[in-house]
Amino acid sequence: AQSVTQLDSHVSVSEGTPVLLRCNYSSSYSPSLFWYVQHPNKGLQLLLKYTSAATLVKGINGFEAEFKKSETSFHLTKPSAHMSDAAEYFCVVSGFTSGTYKYIFGTGTRLKVLA
Amino acid sequence: DGGITQSPKYLFRKEGQNVTLSCEQNLNHDAMYWYRQDPGQGLRLIYYSQIVNDFQKGDIAEGYSVSREKKESFPLTVTSAQKNPTAFYLCASTMAGSDQPQHFGDGTRLSIL
Repeated sequence: AQSVTQLDSHVSVSEGTPVLLRCNYSSSYSPSLFWYVQHPNKGLQLLLKYTSAATLVKGINGFEAEFKKSETSFHLTKPSAHMSDAAEYFCVVSGFTSGTYKYIFGTGTRLKVLA
Repeated sequence: DGGITQSPKYLFRKEGQNVTLSCEQNLNHDAMYWYRQDPGQGLRLIYYSQIVNDFQKGDIAEGYSVSREKKESFPLTVTSAQKNPTAFYLCASTMAGSDQPQHFGDGTRLSIL
């Protein structure tokens, strides 16, 4: 069975400081992993995806994530937070289960950026 | 531009009423999904469809129904049997294959009058 855990429900950072949003996953085989961002009353927008090509994945808006198999982690980072980064972030694992592809969502991390 | 269109953006339901949420995509995607989002609970899968005229229940299908008569369209009906329908509903689509990310619409917020 697959699962994903976002370790922090809320994260606050000052503008210009680094961002770290943590995600651990569980999968019985090599998973595909994604990070999405959601602004209020909007849908989810893909930030980046990991599909086994490279362990360090670069995404949009300066975000990147590193896949660490030994730690079963896929943490999202950004060197310098901007006010526009304030949003909710979701870590997602996908895989083939019971004859179909399914996407398992974490419960989300709300990022607050302080001026 | 290709994308997913959900309508309406806001919807109000009276007691005992069925309401239908629309989801249309022009991405030529095979698979479509409906999710329910409640605060602090992430996204929970209601129904999904991988081909026309076929769909499967997700984790919380009770009180909901869907149809997939066209590849582009996957409407969701919230029936009167769903006793707690107040939530944000998101439609998504994707090409076949587990390494393909989902594309999302902008959601419909459903409330009870």
